[in-house]
Amino acid sequence: DAGITQSPRHKVTETGTPVTLRCHQTENHRYMYWYRQDPGHGLRLIHYSYGVKDTDKGEVSDGYSVSRSKTEDFLLTLESATSSQTSVYFCAISENPGLAGYEQYFGPGTRLTVT
Amino acid sequence: GENVEQHPSTLSVQEGDSAVIKCTYSDSASNYFPWYKQELGKGPQLIIDIRSNVGEKKDQRIAVTLNKTAKHFSLHITETQPEDSAVYFCAASMTSSGDKLTFGTGTRLAVRP
Repeated sequence: DAGITQSPRHKVTETGTPVTLRCHQTENHRYMYWYRQDPGHGLRLIHYSYGVKDTDKGEVSDGYSVSRSKTEDFLLTLESATSSQTSVYFCAISENPGLAGYEQYFGPGTRLTVT
Repeated sequence: GENVEQHPSTLSVQEGDSAVIKCTYSDSASNYFPWYKQELGKGPQLIIDIRSNVGEKKDQRIAVTLNKTAKHFSLHITETQPEDSAVYFCAASMTSSGDKLTFGTGTRLAVRP
């Protein structure tokens, strides 16, 4: 998985609780992304980062926030989890889109269940 | 924003036959089209990609074609093998949007031995 780890790999939480998912990379890639995967929707971009402390919203950002204080770590936070946020969450990295390659490499995923 | 449609949603082929998955996109500014393979319990893996200045690209048994005029691109797998069984996703992005990928909804390919 191209030097990408996600933690935790599985989590069950209750509605209304805060949840933080972590993505860690060892590739020193500049760009990092958070996607969610749901049946019938493919993968949808939540937020992405183009450098330390530089982030932007994706297609489905409501209810999520992100932070990136170090190149290697990208955190996704659900401030108050809802059942609609039950999903599989994938982190991805990219070296430098627009230059040599646009390839995004994905982590193994985190399965989150909100009860 | 960009919208990517993918067909079929499921595909079953006999081992050795070919498989074709088709995608259409809506934004003519999109210029990068990757294909990902996802096995059960794993993250998507890039298998091939094509940029808008190329009409076709091959890598062994896998090929991708792009028709910019019609705004569609296709994945072709020849001589299918059981290990090709997986979910395949197409995607599209454009450099000016920070390379944010818009994915299709996936095709579940089953290769019958």
